[in-house]
Amino acid sequence: QLQLQESGPGLVKPSETLSLTCTVSGGSISSSSYYWGWIRQPPGKGLEWIGSIYYSGSTYYNPSLKSRVTISVDTSKNQFSLKLSSVTAADTAVYYCASGVLRFLAMDVWGQGTTVTVSS
Amino acid sequence: EIVLTQSPGTLSLSPGERATLSCRASQSVSSSYLAWYQQKPGQAPRLLIYGASSRATGIPDRFSGSGSGTDFTLTISRLEPEDFAVYYCQQYGSSPFGGGTKVEIK
Repeated sequence: QLQLQESGPGLVKPSETLSLTCTVSGGSISSSSYYWGWIRQPPGKGLEWIGSIYYSGSTYYNPSLKSRVTISVDTSKNQFSLKLSSVTAADTAVYYCASGVLRFLAMDVWGQGTTVTVSS
Repeated sequence: EIVLTQSPGTLSLSPGERATLSCRASQSVSSSYLAWYQQKPGQAPRLLIYGASSRATGIPDRFSGSGSGTDFTLTISRLEPEDFAVYYCQQYGSSPFGGGTKVEIK
């Protein structure tokens, strides 16, 4: 059964780049059946989709974050990653990685989430 | 960009009552790719419904989804104590979520 685990710094300074990794176990990140995504949730607010990457390498980003986001896959490590540049306090959130079934375009497996605080 | 608007923002109901949650899209979306998620405090979201009406693995049959075009509905036939949570809709799996509906105990 597919499992996901986020990792990365819990504290990032303003103007720096936030970098998170999601390690996939129980399945291959190269599978053509899945796609991979990042979602965040600021304190007390709703879910915000950040972006997704497909096995073809295609990426889709939230227009509101597109200029600052990069999502990539490392097949050798069975991981995918998120980079968010020029962060501000507004980027403080719980960050989730998730996998979705391509056939249904719905995210059925989620990581537990990792809290990232942007502060000097 | 298609915007999903969920209503109401908060639904106050008692256990055993029926909950009806709405998700309205700014443009017509394929019902094949409309999903609903449940999130409880301190937990990651959980997929409830995909394809507008298909229950995900392990989801009780008191949860049902319906709709097409621009109007979609999540119905919880009889609320159990564990159903009080926030519910989100999303279309196409790679797009912004709706703003969410909180189902709270009355």
